[in-house]
Amino acid sequence: AQSVAQPEDQVNVAEGNPLTVKCTYSVSGNPYLFWYVQYPNRGLQFLLKYITGDNLVKGSYGFEAEFNKSQTSFHLKKPSALVSDSALYFCAVRDRTNAGKSTFGDGTTLTVKP
Amino acid sequence: SAVISQKPSRDICQRGTSLTIQCQVDSQVTMMFWYRQQPGQSLTLIATANQGSEATYESGFVIDKFPISRPNLTFSTLTVSNMSPEDSSIYLCSVVAGNYYEQYFGPGTRLTVT
Repeated sequence: AQSVAQPEDQVNVAEGNPLTVKCTYSVSGNPYLFWYVQYPNRGLQFLLKYITGDNLVKGSYGFEAEFNKSQTSFHLKKPSALVSDSALYFCAVRDRTNAGKSTFGDGTTLTVKP
Repeated sequence: SAVISQKPSRDICQRGTSLTIQCQVDSQVTMMFWYRQQPGQSLTLIATANQGSEATYESGFVIDKFPISRPNLTFSTLTVSNMSPEDSSIYLCSVVAGNYYEQYFGPGTRLTVT
């Protein structure tokens, strides 16, 4: 079985400050990990993924995520938040041996205040 | 990547009627999913629809209520049958594309049942 936890329903940061959106996962094997973003009144967009190799992966809009195998975490980060980053963020995991679907977290609402 | 369109984008329906939602993808994909999402909330997977096989439904969802067709590798429909106000939600079509199973989502169909 595979599962994802996003422990924070809401994250608030000031514009220009660094942001972190947390994600922990559980899989029986090695994971593929993903972040998706949903801007207000818009569809879900793929943001970045971890497959293998470097634990720090870079994605769209200046976001990056750090894979930590020992802590089974995949936190989303950005050095300097923008008001336009305000959105709903979903973490997802897929077991490499699983021929089926990814499991999504419950989502974290990020609000960046000017 | 994949570009997905959905029709209709929104609809208001009477209790007891049915609505068929169409999902069109700009490339051939094997794995396709249907989700339900309350605005600002988490995703709930309804079913997985792979071309050439019967759709696989998640716990709590049944074929009589949510029949799915997948006639080819670029198209699928989801029907919401005998609707009640509890079916009011956003319905999302999603496909797996890319080398490592990242998902792409349609813009959604916002359904209101009165």
